Amino acid sequence: GENVEQHPSTLSVQEGDSAVIKCTYSDSASNYFPWYKQELGKRPQLIIDIRSNVGEKKDQRIAVTLNKTAKHFSLHITETQPEDSAVYFCAASIGQNFVFGPGTRLSVLP
Amino acid sequence: GAVVSQHPSWVICKSGTSVKIECRSLDFQATTMFWYRQFPKQSLMLMATSNEGSKATYEQGVEKDKFLINHASLTLSTLTVTSAHPEDSSFYICSAIWRYEAFFGQGTRLTVV
Repeated sequence: GENVEQHPSTLSVQEGDSAVIKCTYSDSASNYFPWYKQELGKRPQLIIDIRSNVGEKKDQRIAVTLNKTAKHFSLHITETQPEDSAVYFCAASIGQNFVFGPGTRLSVLP
Repeated sequence: GAVVSQHPSWVICKSGTSVKIECRSLDFQATTMFWYRQFPKQSLMLMATSNEGSKATYEQGVEKDKFLINHASLTLSTLTVTSAHPEDSSFYICSAIWRYEAFFGQGTRLTVV
C-alpha cells in the first residue's frame, strides 16, 4: 500500500522567513496531493492541493511543488506569520483512499 | 465546500462505560467515511473505513469489538467506544470524501476517568 513520509517533524522559523516541508510517497498511482493545516484541538483544514498532471501551484504565500518522477512533493510558505503556527499534514490519494504523512509542527517565532 | 459535523466535541466518561460519537455529512452523501484517532502531537491514525450498508473495514491492530462502527445511512456514521478504559482517551476525528477532497469533522476529545 501507499506510504507517505514527511520531514521535518518540527520546524521553527523566524517571522517573515520561509518554511519548507517535504513529503515522499511510494505508490506511483497516487494522483492527488493535498496539504492540511491543523490548529490545536481543531479539525484539519485543506490549505492547498495539487494533482499529478501539474508540477506547481501557488496561492498567495503558499505554494506546492510536485515531482512525479522522484515521488515527492513540497509545501512552501513564504513571509511566515505567527498565525501560520500549526501542524501541517501532507497526503497522497487515489480516489477515496487518503494516506497522511506523520505531520510537521511549524512554529513561527515573532 | 462540503461540511462534516461531528458530535459531541468532547466527552468525559467513566471506565467501563460506552461512548457513541456521531459523524454526519451535512450537505452531501457519503457512502464511505473514515475514523481516525490522534494522540497529542501525533499524526492522524486511520482506525477504520465505514461503509454505508455494509461492515466497516478495520486497520490492523484496531479491535473491531471495542470500536463499533455503524454506517446506517448515507449521511451518518457512528463510532462507539465500548467498555472504555483510560488508555482510550484520545482525539477521535472522522472524515468524508466529496469530489475527491477529504473533509473532516470537528473531532471529539474523549477522556475516560
